[in-house]
Amino acid sequence: DAGVIQSPRHEVTEMGQEVTLRCKPISGHDYLFWYRQTMMRGLELLIYFNNNVPIDDSGMPEDRFSAKMPNASFSTLKIQPSEPRDSAVYFCASSSTLTGGYTFGSGTRLTVV
Amino acid sequence: GDSVTQMEGPVTLSEEAFLTINCTYTATGYPSLFWYVQYPGEGLQLLLKATKADDKGSNKGFEATYRKETTSFHLEKGSVQVSDSAVYFCALRPNQAGTALIFGKGTTLSVSS
Repeated sequence: DAGVIQSPRHEVTEMGQEVTLRCKPISGHDYLFWYRQTMMRGLELLIYFNNNVPIDDSGMPEDRFSAKMPNASFSTLKIQPSEPRDSAVYFCASSSTLTGGYTFGSGTRLTVV
Repeated sequence: GDSVTQMEGPVTLSEEAFLTINCTYTATGYPSLFWYVQYPGEGLQLLLKATKADDKGSNKGFEATYRKETTSFHLEKGSVQVSDSAVYFCALRPNQAGTALIFGKGTTLSVSS
């Protein structure tokens, strides 16, 4: 298995632009999580899905952020419009109810200038 | 709510020194406890875990024991190597099935030869 695949690895965008981050979870995993990592706040859970259904989005910072999971093999996190304070590393992780372990992707480093 | 507190870094050690990274938690019920490691530019990788009180998780020379009486899960290694230099995260998963991991802020370990 190729693991959790995130794209792009790096994204630099101008303030006000729309940004879309992508994630392909491990096949057969029924949970998908989006986290944001910054020096100041550490790892923050943004949202997670179970069987493609959003379960808890209380960590999404504001309406500028949205996430979708149209099928079991793909999820997106969108920021529109982006702001410099959104600069961070965004991680996607997936897990299985059966095994319980999390597998993280390599992350997307977002820089908003 | 549930939370994880781990010692602030950075921790700087010489090769072959003994390592302890403290982690304490607050949770209702009986959470599962984890240590993850993050190498530069990579996502988090599961290092070890424990699912019930008095369990000892171990991997690659690292150990941690689930201590319910002290609500702790301290990470230890008897002899660190330069290759152990990384950021270490303590995490818990509440006892409800499918809930997301809650992470500590991470501790940076730097080992010099």
